[in-house]
Amino acid sequence: GNSVTQMEGPVTLSEEAFLTINCTYTATGYPSLFWYVQYPGEGLQLLLKATKADDKGSNKGFEATYRKETTSFHLEKGSVQVSDSAVYFCALPFLSGGGADGLTFGKGTHLIIQP
Amino acid sequence: KAGVTQTPRYLIKTRGQQVTLSCSPISGHRSVSWYQQTPGQGLQFLFEYFSETQRNKGNFPGRFSGRQFSNSRSEMNVSTLELGDSALYLCASSAGLAGASGDEQFFGPGTRLTVL
Repeated sequence: GNSVTQMEGPVTLSEEAFLTINCTYTATGYPSLFWYVQYPGEGLQLLLKATKADDKGSNKGFEATYRKETTSFHLEKGSVQVSDSAVYFCALPFLSGGGADGLTFGKGTHLIIQP
Repeated sequence: KAGVTQTPRYLIKTRGQQVTLSCSPISGHRSVSWYQQTPGQGLQFLFEYFSETQRNKGNFPGRFSGRQFSNSRSEMNVSTLELGDSALYLCASSAGLAGASGDEQFFGPGTRLTVL
């Protein structure tokens, strides 16, 4: 199946700092790519996604670009806030080819933003 | 619209026992996926069901099984529990449209299983 590697934390930043969380993947073909987020005390939820090469997903000031040349989908935000403190997961379909759901996830990056 | 619900929220079992967890998807969703989350291994895919058929399966032993009912509700069963099965078990639902592997998954709050 497909696999994903992401930088593990914790990552500690000051408010208004620039954020990058690295994610690289191994997959057959060009599957959709996702970032999920788990805020403290809440369930896992979709942050953004990209469905094809060179697509940019964006939401809540976060962005990630699907780079097939480098098999990467790095998450970025220009100015982080305390409320962004959470665990972030990079993910892609467990199997490429469509027709079946189910995701494989990175280990997660715990982001801590200090005021 | 009600979200994904999982029951029970907490379970304590002893080694060798079996356990059944339940998941009710969002109304209209036909795909249900199950995941195991542990501090060491992270989030791992168990299996996915669509229209009562297992469509996708992760790399877990046969002690882990599941099923889906005609109303899309799903159950997963773990037999002969081991200490290492202690984890948060998450269920997620999606529309599950054939050929659309990019469907967003909506996660439930999870069932926390402790094996003593």
